[in-house]
Amino acid sequence: AQKITQTQPGMFVQEKEAVTLDCTYDTSDPSYGLFWYKQPSSGEMIFLIYQGSYDQQNATEGRYSLNFQKARKSANLVISASQLGDSAMYFCAMKWYSNYQLIWGAGTKLIIKP
Amino acid sequence: NAGVTQTPKFRILKIGQSMTLQCAQDMNHNYMYWYRQDPGMGLKLIYYSVGAGITDKGEVPNGYNVSRSTTEDFPLRLELAAPSQTSVYFCATRRDELQPQHFGDGTRLSIL
Repeated sequence: AQKITQTQPGMFVQEKEAVTLDCTYDTSDPSYGLFWYKQPSSGEMIFLIYQGSYDQQNATEGRYSLNFQKARKSANLVISASQLGDSAMYFCAMKWYSNYQLIWGAGTKLIIKP
Repeated sequence: NAGVTQTPKFRILKIGQSMTLQCAQDMNHNYMYWYRQDPGMGLKLIYYSVGAGITDKGEVPNGYNVSRSTTEDFPLRLELAAPSQTSVYFCATRRDELQPQHFGDGTRLSIL
């Protein structure tokens, strides 16, 4: 069965440090996509970055990058040079090609300390 | 450029009342989704639709109904509100396969 796991319920990180948020997944479908979303305290869901299972390169979007290790079935989000505004909940989600749904991880609460 | 619009933003219901949460999109996306998010938790899929006239159950459909008569609108109906339905409800759309979902701002619903 398809599954997404985020093992870090919460993290404290010093401002300007890099952050790695863990996400592991399980699927037998060879075609899938992995998504990361940010949910600040205001509540909206903000799309950050996407990685396709056939993409050769790790995805990057500004300060966000995805450390995609297909053999280990992990898709960790890396935030470089963290900022106070990065404090939020972060969700990893997966969609596999043969299904219309996304499945979501439980989220990681990231707090950036000044 | 509205994107995904959810109304109302907040609502308090009494147990047993009914209401409809509205979701409208102007992006011509075929796929639409309703999620609920309980405090401190992730998203759980209630219902989804792959196009006008087609809907299907997600992980937690009990107590809810949906319809999709047009591409733009995907209302979620609560028939007999129960305290367990107190949650934040998100509507989302997606253009096609392996594209990110676009979310509305959510509806915060309390059942007392």
